[in-house]
Amino acid sequence: EAEVAQSPRYKITEKSQAVAFWCDPISGHATLYWYRQILGQGPELLVQFQDESVVDDSQLPKDRFSAERLKGVDSTLKIQPAELGDSAMYLCASSPSGYEQFFGPGTRLTVL
Amino acid sequence: AQRVTQPEKLLSVFKGAPVELKCNYSYSGSPELFWYVQYSRQRLQLLLRHISRESIKGFTADLNKGETSFHLKKPFAQEEDSAMYYCALNGPGGGNKLTFGTGTQLKVEL
Repeated sequence: EAEVAQSPRYKITEKSQAVAFWCDPISGHATLYWYRQILGQGPELLVQFQDESVVDDSQLPKDRFSAERLKGVDSTLKIQPAELGDSAMYLCASSPSGYEQFFGPGTRLTVL
Repeated sequence: AQRVTQPEKLLSVFKGAPVELKCNYSYSGSPELFWYVQYSRQRLQLLLRHISRESIKGFTADLNKGETSFHLKKPFAQEEDSAMYYCALNGPGGGNKLTFGTGTQLKVEL
């Protein structure tokens, strides 16, 4: 069964460093999402792609966060510089343009 | 602004007892609501969608627009129902963007 892949699964970094997360959606899924989940809260949408285009990045802190999906397949989320408050689980999800989103296992980021 | 509220962080019930996980929402348009579930060491996955009106794993949820609620119910809890449950609202502006609640941890005790 096809699944969304994410790497790394865990990342520890020091504040002011740069970090990058990678997501490979289910093949054929046109829509890709990045969510941030702070401990004790629900996932919060950061950015939504339709193929290679950004549909919504209104909640993405653009001074330090960037996201790309150059060929409309896999995607990278970058944080530079990382801050203590960025410690969270970063979830990627994909959808075949319907309502159901399929989530990856997440990347747990710890900023020291 | 739209919002999803799940008032209980933890709900503990005995096996065989009824379960009701509460979800309230605020949304100015016609809402589209979902329940997602995360079992231990597994990924977040869709449990059910209000439009489909299906019963999945014995769970049902009815959209009550008057009370702006979408509570998740099951008549008899099973041990395997223990998980984290998130209520989610499509929006803002539709577009298949989900606004999640804070989640309720359901613990089914033997």
